[in-house]
Amino acid sequence: NAGVMQNPRHLVRRRGQEARLRCSPMKGHSHVYWYRQLPEEGLKFMVYLQKENIIDESGMPKERFSAEFPKEGPSILRIQQVVRGDSAAYFCASSPFVPSGSYEQYFGPGTRLTVT
Amino acid sequence: GESVGLHLPTLSVQEGDNSIINCAYSNSASDYFIWYKQESGKGPQFIIDIRSNMDKRQGQRVTVLLNKTVKHLSLQIAATQPGDSAVYFCAEIGGGATNKLIFGTGTLLAVQP
Repeated sequence: NAGVMQNPRHLVRRRGQEARLRCSPMKGHSHVYWYRQLPEEGLKFMVYLQKENIIDESGMPKERFSAEFPKEGPSILRIQQVVRGDSAAYFCASSPFVPSGSYEQYFGPGTRLTVT
Repeated sequence: GESVGLHLPTLSVQEGDNSIINCAYSNSASDYFIWYKQESGKGPQFIIDIRSNMDKRQGQRVTVLLNKTVKHLSLQIAATQPGDSAVYFCAEIGGGATNKLIFGTGTLLAVQP
């Protein structure tokens, strides 16, 4: 019974390159959240997606960042033209659709992005 | 803007003692709170949650207390064990329809054998 999977676990990119982070939610989960964690800080919300829809991207930087959750396949967080300030751990969380309002989100192990 | 913050950045306890981790929140409209545990190199792990219509909830060795009057949340861990060493975050649901979590900055719990 696999949990939330993220890959790669570690990613090194030079400034100006593109970073692609993947997240496969738990089986049966249709909601995906992306969070960013800077060293020694809490997680900050970035974006919330359902299949083929971006529901809330209020935490996404206006430029260079994009996210998708296609009908088939994992959710992708893409960072174009990375800069050193993008170095962080990026966590994906998934949750099922529960009409009664269960709020629990299950987190993946994260992708640690280092920009050199 | 609204925020969730922690009083103590680090907490050192002896194995077997009880631990109390505190959290202050500023959004009086928040109606759901969660405590997460994060071990080094791993993602946050759900510990316990509480809704605003409750003031106490107990789990296995853990208790969460909610004081809405002073907007304070605490996590109590009984008989702390070395495996409890981690960073603990409180988080609140940010409101609206998206259920996004707003995290505090974390408290490092160090359990001394």
